[in-house]
Parts: sequence; structure tokens; C-alpha cells
Amino acid sequence: ELKVEQNPLFLSMQEGKNYTIYCNYSTTSDRLYWYRQDPGKSLESLFVLLSNGAVKQEGRLMASLDTKARLSTLHITAAVHDLSATYFCAVDMRYGGSQGNLIFGKGTKLSVKP
Amino acid sequence: DGGITQSPKYLFRKEGQNVTLSCEQNLNHDAMYWYRQDPGQGLRLIYYSQIVNDFQKGDIAEGYSVSREKKESFPLTVTSAQKNPTAFYLCASSVDRPYAGYTFGSGTRLTVV
Repeated sequence: ELKVEQNPLFLSMQEGKNYTIYCNYSTTSDRLYWYRQDPGKSLESLFVLLSNGAVKQEGRLMASLDTKARLSTLHITAAVHDLSATYFCAVDMRYGGSQGNLIFGKGTKLSVKP
Repeated sequence: DGGITQSPKYLFRKEGQNVTLSCEQNLNHDAMYWYRQDPGQGLRLIYYSQIVNDFQKGDIAEGYSVSREKKESFPLTVTSAQKNPTAFYLCASSVDRPYAGYTFGSGTRLTVV
């Protein structure tokens, strides 16, 4: 059974600081997604990581994937209040497992304070 | 614009009632999914369908039913057998090929009253 573990689950940051969210998963996959969710809202796609060593950046967020270590990271640079949200990683098992779907981590609730 | 439409946005269910959540997409996506989200939790798969007239159970299918009579539509019925249905329900779709992304609807919040 595939497990996806995120840490930390809660993160309180000061504006201007850097931090990293970690996503570990338990079986082979080469497709990993990062999503943002604001309270009461749907999921917003941030990054799709499709191969080992993939790195993508958008603004203050940068995501990377190490398929050998089964680890993805979401790095936040110089945090601002607008980044406050819950961030999910999800592993795509459509072709690597018995189910065709995304397996989600529990999410990291990020709060950026002035 | 193409997208996924979920309705209603809010739904209240009485004990013992069946309710149906609507999910419609105009993206011409092959696969559709239903996820449930509880507070402080990630999403868990209820059912998915990769082609019309076919669907598969996910991790938490008990107490739910679906149909896929049209490519565009994948309604979810929450039956009275689902003892704890209060949650946020998200529908998603994707093209059934490698490296295609997923599109999510705006969600339905179901509350038992």
C-alpha cells in the first residue's frame, strides 16, 4: 500500500524567512504533484514533477523530486503572507499501481506571520 | 472555458436520506474521480471511472455509489449506509494517458443535519 507522508503538518513562519516542506512516499512512482488549497476552496495545481531530478520554480516556491530517495521537497523563499494556505503533495499511481489515482499526503498548513 | 462544475456548493442531508452530488466536465477528459476530504486530512479516493459505463471502487467506497452514463458526467450518491458523510467532496478529471494532469472542481460541502 502506497503511503505519502508530509512534514511538517503545521508550519508557522515569519515573513522573509525560508523553509522546506518534505514529502516522502513508500513505493516507486515518477509522477508527483504539489497543490495549494485555501480554506473552503478547491485544489490549485502548483507543480507537476515528472522525472528524477526534476526541479520547478514559480515565484517564491520551488519543488524538486528525487525518485531514488522517494522524496519531494517544496522550498519557500522569503515567505509572504499571501503564501498562507495548506499545501498537499500527491503521488500518481495511474500506471505504477493497482489504482488509477492520486494518493495524497495529509497536507502542510502554512501560516506566514508579519 | 473548459472546466469541471460541481453542484450544489453546499448540501444538507437528513439522517437516512440519499443525496446526489453532481459533477460535469467539458474538457473531454476520459477519467473522472471522486475524493472526500475531512478536516485536517488529505483527500481520499471514493470512486473513479476511466471510461463510460465502467467505474472502480477507491479506498473508501462503502456507503457511496456512482454512475458513468455519459463521458461528461460522474454523479456521486451518498447513501444512508454512509454513517459519517459530513465532509468536503471534490470531483476531478484527467486525460487517460501518461503525464496528463488532473483538474479539480470547486467542491461540495455536505453536512448531516
